Amino acid sequence: QMQLVQSGAEVKKTGSSVKVSCKASGYTFTYRYLHWVRQAPGQALEWMGWITPFNGNTNYAQKFQDRVTITRDRSMSTAYMELSSLRSEDTAMYYCASAGHSGSYDIWGQGTMVTVSS
Amino acid sequence: QSALTQPPSVSGAPGQWVTLSCTGSSSNIGAGFDVHWYQQLPGTAPKLLMSGNHYRPSGVPDRFSGSKSGTSAYLAIDGLQSEDEAHYFCQSYDTGLSGPVFGGGTELTVL
Repeated sequence: QMQLVQSGAEVKKTGSSVKVSCKASGYTFTYRYLHWVRQAPGQALEWMGWITPFNGNTNYAQKFQDRVTITRDRSMSTAYMELSSLRSEDTAMYYCASAGHSGSYDIWGQGTMVTVSS
Repeated sequence: QSALTQPPSVSGAPGQWVTLSCTGSSSNIGAGFDVHWYQQLPGTAPKLLMSGNHYRPSGVPDRFSGSKSGTSAYLAIDGLQSEDEAHYFCQSYDTGLSGPVFGGGTELTVL
């Protein structure tokens, strides 16, 4: 079945960077946009950006424009999200999600908890 | 402050009919963009519940239905069950933000 499997939880220091991976299986990786969404504890979902796995084109939310980089490795069917200059407010669960033609996210990764502390 | 507004909480008794609302603006729902709904159980990833305003993915009970009118969208649940207790998020696209937007979420409690 179609699934996304993410890397494990991370604990980072303020000012450092984190890189989370998301491996796709059960579908053709290059056919579907891959998005990153985060959720702070008890808060709403927040879109961060997407990548087109076919050609590597990206689109980032303005809020994260200067700090986020989304990449992919087609040979590994894996996408990556790197967030730099981490601050305590970045403590959140980070999800990758694959969007179908309707634009809805019908496949979600299990989430990666990133904790930022000084 | 989310671009899509949802009531923080809604409650209903088992068997009842409840409606969750999602209010946007002319730059998202009112511009004609589809609305999607997600159900999130505690400690789990969101799950797609309704796509393209009113299409149920395979496996979603027909107790759930969706609609859209003007700048708002609605998720109705008929015959409320205890397992429906969860957070529900709406999502659309916003031209001002040039990307997907989510509502703040509604916590549904089954009394």
